[in-house]
Amino acid sequence: AQSVTQLDSQVPVFEEAPVELRCNYSSSVSVYLFWYVQYPNQGLQLLLKYLSGSTLVKGINGFEAEFNKSQTSFHLRKPSVHISDTAEYFCAVSGYGGSQGNLIFGKGTKLSVKP
Amino acid sequence: EPEVTQTPSHQVTQMGQEVILRCVPISNHLYFYWYRQILGQKVEFLVSFYNNEISEKSEIFDDQFSVERPDGSNFTLKIRSTKLEDSAMYFCASRGRINQPQHFGDGTRLSIL
Repeated sequence: AQSVTQLDSQVPVFEEAPVELRCNYSSSVSVYLFWYVQYPNQGLQLLLKYLSGSTLVKGINGFEAEFNKSQTSFHLRKPSVHISDTAEYFCAVSGYGGSQGNLIFGKGTKLSVKP
Repeated sequence: EPEVTQTPSHQVTQMGQEVILRCVPISNHLYFYWYRQILGQKVEFLVSFYNNEISEKSEIFDDQFSVERPDGSNFTLKIRSTKLEDSAMYFCASRGRINQPQHFGDGTRLSIL
C-alpha cells in the first residue's frame, strides 16, 4: 500500500518569489509520482510526472520536481510564481507491477500568491 | 487535445434516491477510474475498471455503488440509495497504457439533501 504526505496545507507567497511544495510518500513497491493542480471549481490537471529516468522532471507552467528515492520525496518547485499559480496542488503516487495504477493522493497544498 | 467529459456538472438529489453520474473518457483509453473529493478533504480512489470489469475498488465502494460501460463510450457511476455523506465532487479519469498518467474530467458536484 502507498501513502502520501503533504506537510503544508497552505503556503502563502508573494508574486515573483520562489516556492517549494513538499511531498513525501511511502510504498512497499516502486512507484510512479505525479503532481496535479486544481484551480477553483475545476478538475485536476496534470502538472508533471515521474515514471523513470532523470530524477528532475519539468512540467507545465514553469514547475519542476525532483524525485529523491532515499528521502522518499517528490517536492515541487517554481523559481518565480505568478498570481495565476494560486490553486491547490496535489501530490499523488501509484504503484506498478500488478496494480491497476490507482492514484493515492495527498491532502493537498493551497498555494496563495499575493501581489 | 482530447479530454474527459463529465455530466452533469452539478446534481442535486434527495437522500435515498438513485443517482447516475456520467463520464465520457478519452476515446482510445483503456483504464477508467472514479474518485471522489468530499469538501475540504483529499481526493479518494473509488474504483478502477479495465476490460469491462472492475479491477480494483476501495472500501468506500460498497454495495450501494456500481459502475458500467454500457455502450463502449460512456462510463457511469451509480449510487443506488444516496446518503448525506455521499455529497462530494466525483471525478472520472482515464488513461491509455498503464504507465501513462490519468486524465481527469472537471467533476460532478453531487449534493444530497
